[in-house]
Amino acid sequence: SQQGEEDPQALSIQEGENATMNCSYKTSINNLQWYRQNSGRGLVHLILIRSNEREKHSGRLRVTLDTSKKSSSLLITASRAADTASYFCATATGYQLIWGAGTKLIIKP
Amino acid sequence: NAGVTQTPKFRVLKTGQSMTLLCAQDMNHEYMYWYRQDPGMGLRLIHYSVGEGTTAKGEVPDGYNVSRLKKQNFLLGLESAAPSQTSVYFCASSYSTYTNYGYTFGSGTRLTVV
Repeated sequence: SQQGEEDPQALSIQEGENATMNCSYKTSINNLQWYRQNSGRGLVHLILIRSNEREKHSGRLRVTLDTSKKSSSLLITASRAADTASYFCATATGYQLIWGAGTKLIIKP
Repeated sequence: NAGVTQTPKFRVLKTGQSMTLLCAQDMNHEYMYWYRQDPGMGLRLIHYSVGEGTTAKGEVPDGYNVSRLKKQNFLLGLESAAPSQTSVYFCASSYSTYTNYGYTFGSGTRLTVV
């Protein structure tokens, strides 16, 4: 069962622009995590935001969490070609992470 | 620092054959997980382990078995492969039961069952 739903499913932007992806979920969570997957590779952990946090930054990444709306957003600023990948949100409920189907991001040169 | 290593990277099986996928981690993580990833879908948990000698079923355990005889290794077995098991399999590990830390993933095993 998938709890997280990413929106949009696909996003294509010019290099240098900002990219925003959204994630919605259904039940209460301990934390929410974002991962990146380059084509044909494993997933890489980007950032974790706890349920009592509202915003978190890591380099060019900014994550927000609104527990009242059960949603999160991932902002990538000043995008680069190397940011081309699929991005997944995962919600932590106790012992497991529950995954969304991902947003495919393409950065055009 | 190798992290999580999966072997093999690719495999083609005939229906009914068996195989074992190996996952090894060198980070002293207690918790290990096997996922499958199918096109257009998120990761689905097959089995997981919260420590040496323990295993538990995830969301899609049917047709798979696992073992965690050593802390650093987590094996996934297919006793009688079926075409529906064609997928990319990922192993992951983490420090904490309560997922307060991110997972570290292997690079995946692409399995085709014909």
